[in-house]
Amino acid sequence: QVQLVESGGGLVKPGGSLRLSCAASGFTFSDYYMSWIRQAPGKGLEWVSYISSSSSYTNYADSVKGRFTISRDNAKNSLYLQMNSLRAEDTAVYYCATEICSSTSCYYDYWGQGTLVTVSS
Amino acid sequence: QSALTQPASVSGSPGQSITISCTGTSSDVGSYNLVSWYQQHPGKAPKLMIYEGSKRPSGVSNRFSGSKSGNTASLTISGLQAEDEADYYCCSYAGSSTLRVFGGGTKLTVL
Repeated sequence: QVQLVESGGGLVKPGGSLRLSCAASGFTFSDYYMSWIRQAPGKGLEWVSYISSSSSYTNYADSVKGRFTISRDNAKNSLYLQMNSLRAEDTAVYYCATEICSSTSCYYDYWGQGTLVTVSS
Repeated sequence: QSALTQPASVSGSPGQSITISCTGTSSDVGSYNLVSWYQQHPGKAPKLMIYEGSKRPSGVSNRFSGSKSGNTASLTISGLQAEDEADYYCCSYAGSSTLRVFGGGTKLTVL
């Protein structure tokens, strides 16, 4: 069955960096767009970034643009999020999710269990 | 990228029906975009409940339905059950369809 397993979260100081990974299995990873979505403690979901199946297209929420970089390795069935210049407001559980998009809609059909990133001195 | 507007909370008794609204603008919900809906229980990952406005993934109860009118999408849950108590989020394309935006979330309480 489809499995998405995030890793790489932890405690980091403001201004620091962290790289999240998402290991995918149970489906043809290279066929899917992928996204990172985060949830601050006690708050709602916030879309962070997406990457197309062949890495040709990426985009980012304004809140992370210029600081975060999404990438993928289809040979390793893995998705990554490089997070630099981290701020306290980046503290959240980060989920990876498979994304299915058409001209009229975009939705997330499979989600990982999330990895917690805490930015604090 | 403003979040879509959802009521903070709704409640209903077992067996009743409730509707959760998701209001956007002509740039997201009000355009040709179709909304998806997610259910999240405490400490768990979100689960897709409705996609492309009104379609249900395999395994999702037909008590869940989606609709749209103008700039507002809606999720209706009929025959409320205790296990429906959760947070619900809507999601849409935003702007030029290169961005995505979630609603602020609605906490459903089953009385």
